[in-house]
Amino acid sequence: DAGVTQSPTHLIKTRGQHVTLRCSPISGHKSVSWYQQVLGQGPQFIFQYYEKEERGRGNFPDRFSARQFPNYSSELNVNALLLGDSALYLCASSRGVAGTQYFGPGTRLTVL
Amino acid sequence: DQQVKQNSPSLSVQEGRISILNCDYTNSMFDYFLWYKKYPAEGPTFLISISSIKDKNEDGRFTVFLNKSAKHLSLHIVPSQPGDSAVYFCAASAWGSGGGADGLTFGKGTHLIIQP
Repeated sequence: DAGVTQSPTHLIKTRGQHVTLRCSPISGHKSVSWYQQVLGQGPQFIFQYYEKEERGRGNFPDRFSARQFPNYSSELNVNALLLGDSALYLCASSRGVAGTQYFGPGTRLTVL
Repeated sequence: DQQVKQNSPSLSVQEGRISILNCDYTNSMFDYFLWYKKYPAEGPTFLISISSIKDKNEDGRFTVFLNKSAKHLSLHIVPSQPGDSAVYFCAASAWGSGGGADGLTFGKGTHLIIQP
């Protein structure tokens, strides 16, 4: 079975722009979570979606938003990009809200 | 305030010996703990987990020990192999193995280097 897939792999944006990152979960998984990993830190939780509804949100500003589609894929949107948004953005899927999370390869976002 | 701490940024171990990676936590609400392994340019890969009702869980070469009174867990890898060289993240959850509404809380990671 295919694992979690994310697109694009790399992305370069300038300050103030908007970005959309995409994630496809493992087949049969209904929950998608997003994490941000900056250099030298562990992943930090941004959102969890289950059955198209937001089930949890980490300590991130409203510039960050997400949604989940009927096929359980998900998008993470970040508006008004700041230099500090440069990071690896990881998507993880699980069967349910409390299931073990399996991560995709991530999208490396660089904000100039 | 870091709720999950991995105090060793790096650890070097000889091939064939035991690798012991440590993790401390402060939040008493955590009831599930996981270890992930990460290679460069890849996402974290799930290794092994343990529920707070247990004190040990074994899977092949990997064993996780949990000491709830000390709020400490450790990952033992025996014997260590060159392919084990990676960054290891300790993660904790108050909502079962998936983190639930609060997500998983990760430490900063320990870079394990297996020397030939």
